[in-house]
Amino acid sequence: NAGVTQTPKFQVLKTGQSMTLQCAQDMNHEYMSWYRQDPGMGLRLIHYSVGAGITDQGEVPNGYNVSRSTTEDFPLRLLSAAPSQTSVYFCASSYLSGDGLFFGEGSRLTVL
Amino acid sequence: AQSVAQPEDQVNVAEGNPLTVKCTYSVSGNPYLFWYVQYPNRGLQFLLKYITGDNLVKGSYGFEAEFNKSQTSFHLKKPSALVSDSALYFCAAPTGTASKLTFGTGTRLQVTL
Repeated sequence: NAGVTQTPKFQVLKTGQSMTLQCAQDMNHEYMSWYRQDPGMGLRLIHYSVGAGITDQGEVPNGYNVSRSTTEDFPLRLLSAAPSQTSVYFCASSYLSGDGLFFGEGSRLTVL
Repeated sequence: AQSVAQPEDQVNVAEGNPLTVKCTYSVSGNPYLFWYVQYPNRGLQFLLKYITGDNLVKGSYGFEAEFNKSQTSFHLKKPSALVSDSALYFCAAPTGTASKLTFGTGTRLQVTL
């Protein structure tokens, strides 16, 4: 039982490049979400999903896309990376929305 | 707008002393409130949550939180701090729906010998 697994742990991109942050959970959780953590700002919700085939925007969705084709996976796509997207990204899941969240270990992204 | 606030950026406590990490909320209706902890270079870990019922909620690692409706507060407490409790603590509450969890800016707890 691995919990929530995020890859890669570290990534450096150049402005304009695209990439996908992967998130997988093996707990059969319906709810999954992506947050970014920036100093002094806490965690901000990017996108979330309440089940396979269902996604919705959070507080800061611009520049990011998500999809949920399976219960287990919830990838986050950066379409054209910008320096403002330099951050630590966390994927989280729970059995239902409103439950306590299980977090991955984070992915540190630097955009030059 | 529904939100939570953590008024202290850092709290310093000596080991063995009681600790309190403060959180106030602005949430309409009956609030769901959470506390999470983040150790260095790790993801957040769920500590406890309040939904309804007893105003004193017990959680992991000996932590508890007291819900106070009149003061709109949900302070995290522990009777006797440990050096290993040193970490970043976040208060959180749903915004609009249970699916959108809003976090406070975090409070760094430093416990010293």
